[in-house]
Amino acid sequence: SAVISQKPSRDICQRGTSLTIQCQVDSQVTMMFWYRQQPGQSLTLIATANQGSEATYESGFVIDKFPISRPNLTFSTLTVSNMSPEDSSIYLCSAKTSGGVDTQYFGPGTRLTVL
Amino acid sequence: AQSVTQPDIHITVSEGASLELRCNYSYGATPYLFWYVQSPGQGLQLLLKYFSGDTLVQGIKGFEAEFKRSQSSFNLRKPSVHWSDAAEYFCAVAAGGNQFYFGTGTSLTVIP
Repeated sequence: SAVISQKPSRDICQRGTSLTIQCQVDSQVTMMFWYRQQPGQSLTLIATANQGSEATYESGFVIDKFPISRPNLTFSTLTVSNMSPEDSSIYLCSAKTSGGVDTQYFGPGTRLTVL
Repeated sequence: AQSVTQPDIHITVSEGASLELRCNYSYGATPYLFWYVQSPGQGLQLLLKYFSGDTLVQGIKGFEAEFKRSQSSFNLRKPSVHWSDAAEYFCAVAAGGNQFYFGTGTSLTVIP
């Protein structure tokens, strides 16, 4: 298993600003992911954070809006850029320890409110 | 296309009563199935998973789930619900590799 922490746990931001969310895993993991959970909704995969290369984005998500870094096997950041109220969501980091089908473990999430 | 359906948006049960949360999936190959629970203001916690073998799987907190291939279902059950079980429950299928597909969730309310 993997224990995942995220910072900040919540934030309130002004329109047009950017916020960087950090995700730290307690052990080296193969894959890390970022999800968005809009109010009352299920989880939507934003991107897969690749170590040493550009993230792989899902349809509807672009690097300019959600730049992602993964400098090593235990850490990743997601930036929400030029925020608008529609970006108000919970952002969750997840990880799995193998490259095949395996359990994804989730962080506690970052609750973002954009005014 | 892969998908997960949780037909019940919201369920209310009395404390001590039994619980069954429904999950149906659509996936052409062997599914890898999961149930997660999300308490208010928290992230997702894995309850249980099915990869292969015995179709009745046991999880944490007294939960179990049964995989029924013929019905494309993976329903979650608990014989006696506790007030602390009130939360949002998500069913998910792993469609090979990294992609997880989540259902829309079932919100559980437990009344004393």
